[in-house]
Amino acid sequence: SQKIEQNSEALNIQEGKTATLTCNYTNYSPAYLQWYRQDPGRGPVFLLLIRENEKEKRKERLKVTFDTTLKQSLFHITASQPADSATYLCALDTTGTASKLTFGTGTRLQVTL
Amino acid sequence: DAGVIQSPRHEVTEMGQEVTLRCKPISGHDYLFWYRQTMMRGLELLIYFNNNVPIDDSGMPEDRFSAKMPNASFSTLKIQPSEPRDSAVYFCASSGTGLAGEETQYFGPGTRLLVL
Repeated sequence: SQKIEQNSEALNIQEGKTATLTCNYTNYSPAYLQWYRQDPGRGPVFLLLIRENEKEKRKERLKVTFDTTLKQSLFHITASQPADSATYLCALDTTGTASKLTFGTGTRLQVTL
Repeated sequence: DAGVIQSPRHEVTEMGQEVTLRCKPISGHDYLFWYRQTMMRGLELLIYFNNNVPIDDSGMPEDRFSAKMPNASFSTLKIQPSEPRDSAVYFCASSGTGLAGEETQYFGPGTRLLVL
């Protein structure tokens, strides 16, 4: 069966360090993968999208990698700040359109001073 | 644009009652999605529409759940009768074809439903 796995344990890091979050999937061949941020009591907010033919995508302090051989995406936040504390969700879609995203359960990131 | 609008933001009801959740997507978006989020199961897609037509309702848990989209600017998700296990946060999201960011979804603030 299809499965998306994110580390369910919270990730605690110190301000200024790089946070790395992992998204592993099985039995999917996604056309692209997306990362969303969710703050408590709010809906997810889109951060980055990476396509199957892209290895890496950057946006300001954010970097996403996509390894279709390993079936894994890594999400990096460099120079992390307490304001980066949130839950981060990865989502896969195999149809190449905006339809039917399947979300991972998310990893909670806590950045401390 | 005000973003995706959902109402009510909170709903407390008793088992057996009908619950109606409402959503106004971003103007110009032609996809609308309903999700449910719980601690146990995470964020699950219930149903989505394209140009007001239901495309995939395979995530709807059972016949007690129904969704409609009578026009491009309004959708409802109805639970009748409600049960305690329906307690969750329900999100509506929309996305557009041919627009900037077409492959991303924009989520509303959610409706927190508690069925007693």
